[in-house]
Amino acid sequence: EVQLLESGGGLVQPGGSLRLSCAASGFTFSSYAMSWVRQAPGKGLEWVSAISGRGGSTYYADSVKGRFSISRDNSKNTLYLQMSSLRAEDTAVYYCAKEVSSTMTLFDYWGQGTLVTVSS
Amino acid sequence: NFMLTQPHSVSESPGKTVTISCTRSSGSIASNYVQWYQQRPGSSPTTVIYEDNQRPSGVPDRFSGSIDSSSNSASLTISGLKTEDEADFYCQSYDSSTHAVFGGGTQLTVL
Repeated sequence: EVQLLESGGGLVQPGGSLRLSCAASGFTFSSYAMSWVRQAPGKGLEWVSAISGRGGSTYYADSVKGRFSISRDNSKNTLYLQMSSLRAEDTAVYYCAKEVSSTMTLFDYWGQGTLVTVSS
Repeated sequence: NFMLTQPHSVSESPGKTVTISCTRSSGSIASNYVQWYQQRPGSSPTTVIYEDNQRPSGVPDRFSGSIDSSSNSASLTISGLKTEDEADFYCQSYDSSTHAVFGGGTQLTVL
């Protein structure tokens, strides 16, 4: 059974940093690209960032480019999102999601999400 | 870059049929697969339609998907509506430059 378990969310001040983790199990982690998708309170889904299976390619939404960094440790089956220079508009539930394949950015499994609140 | 536009909300009575549209702003809707997700309050999204019109195992055949090149849109149709179908529905597609794009979401009310 595929499981994705996010952690690391919390309250952070504007301008601060936070690192999210996503522990994966139930599939060959290194074989699949992974993404982070966020959802601001009462709003829709927004793709944030993606990383290829081996970690050699990374992609970012314009809204987070230069501030967020995605990485993965395939030996630990864990995905990360390092967030810095956080803004109030980054407040959201952050989901990690497994991509269906390396050629299609579609998602077949999602974690339960972790809430990030940026506020003073 | 392209956008996907969905109606903000739809409502229909139990037993009826509802269709949610998803219009692509530029580029062909047929160029990349469209996927549909259902999200109930407080829960993560789950896939109800993949590869334009395929249903994952466990999703009732009351759910169907299609694409229409003439209107450059995808549609999710739910027939025989049940109160348990109430949720937010999102369409999603992708391309090499934009990566993943979600529609704004449609709130389905079954009343």
